[in-house]
Amino acid sequence: EAGVTQFPSHSVIEKGQTVTLRCDPISGHDNLYWYRRVMGKEIKFLLHFVKESKQDESGMPNNRFLAERTGGTYSTLKVQPAELEDSGVYFCASSYRLAGEETQYFGPGTRLLVL
Amino acid sequence: AQSVSQHNHHVILSEAASLELGCNYSYGGTVNLFWYVQYPGQHLQLLLKYFSGDPLVKGIKGFEAEFIKSKFSFNLRKPSVQWSDTAEYFCAVNADNFNKFYFGSGTKLNVKP
Repeated sequence: EAGVTQFPSHSVIEKGQTVTLRCDPISGHDNLYWYRRVMGKEIKFLLHFVKESKQDESGMPNNRFLAERTGGTYSTLKVQPAELEDSGVYFCASSYRLAGEETQYFGPGTRLLVL
Repeated sequence: AQSVSQHNHHVILSEAASLELGCNYSYGGTVNLFWYVQYPGQHLQLLLKYFSGDPLVKGIKGFEAEFIKSKFSFNLRKPSVQWSDTAEYFCAVNADNFNKFYFGSGTKLNVKP
């Protein structure tokens, strides 16, 4: 079974540019999450999709970040325009809930560097 | 808001030494608890998880963790570490009614051969 995949693995852009990150969850997983880790600090929640609907976007830093999950399959996270403080590792995770239990499976992350 | 504390940021051990990594959380309700590991160059992998039942949870590669509700803790242990355990370890918590994880800041473990 394929795991969660993310593209690109690395991205280096200049301040003010736009970057789009993609996440392909495990097939059949309705839940999709985005997290971010900045400068070796804790991994922080950004948002949660259930199928194509945003269930919780309380962690999104500001309106420069836009996440979509059209059709309830893959998701994109766009940063426009990027700022220096957006640098970090962006993780995607997917899960399904069974008998009240849910385990999130993580992708390898996208390392974003904004210069 | 919930928070998760991992007190040890960097741990250095020799092979065969015993390991205990601390994890404390702040939430008074029902929680689900997880330990993830990230080996160099790899993605986050689940080591073990606790939802309910026996508070002593056994995971992969000889790791175990104990949930002590009164101490709000979920410490990770391994009796004898190997060089291949060199990695970064993350404790994660989610409340029963919320899906999102709260992570600790991670502990880098360096095992000397």
